[in-house]
Amino acid sequence: GQSLEQPSEVTAVEGAIVQINCTYQTSGFYGLSWYQQHDGGAPTFLSYNALDGLEETGRFSSFLSRSDSYGYLLLQELQMKDSASYFCAVTDNYGQNFVFGPGTRLSVLP
Amino acid sequence: DGGITQSPKYLFRKEGQNVTLSCEQNLNHDAMYWYRQDPGQGLRLIYYSQIVNDFQKGDIAEGYSVSREKKESFPLTVTSAQKNPTAFYLCASIPGSAPGELFFGEGSRLTVL
Repeated sequence: GQSLEQPSEVTAVEGAIVQINCTYQTSGFYGLSWYQQHDGGAPTFLSYNALDGLEETGRFSSFLSRSDSYGYLLLQELQMKDSASYFCAVTDNYGQNFVFGPGTRLSVLP
Repeated sequence: DGGITQSPKYLFRKEGQNVTLSCEQNLNHDAMYWYRQDPGQGLRLIYYSQIVNDFQKGDIAEGYSVSREKKESFPLTVTSAQKNPTAFYLCASIPGSAPGELFFGEGSRLTVL
């Protein structure tokens, strides 16, 4: 089976930097991806890591350590619109089956 | 524009009734998925399909059924056997060229009265 852990809530102020961690236990691993979901909306894709290291996309970066079964999403220059839930998801060896973490609710304060 | 269309957006159902949620995509994606999301929870996989006329059960398939007669369409039926069907249902697809990037529809919110 597969299981993922994330902090349930994170709070930060505008302009700050926040890191959301994700640890996983899986029987097979292909990659780790991150999604953002605003209340009442659908998840949207943020980033994907298949290899160890840091991937940067604008204000968002994602990191993966396969040996530690660990990854994180880094959000810089936080804005109010970043208040949302963030989910990590692991794909299996075939890259087609996704398992989602429980999600982290980020609140950005003025 | 290309995308995934789910309908209806909101649906109310009486206990004992079957309902079918529609999911159509014009992205030419091969693989399609149905997820269920309960308030404050993550997404749980119901069914997925990698090719036409083939689909696999996910973690919570009991009480649900699907079909994949066309590449573009992947409807989900919530049957009366599903004991607690009130939830937010999300359809998604993935392009073969972009691993890890699921494209989601806007979701269907089902409430059982």
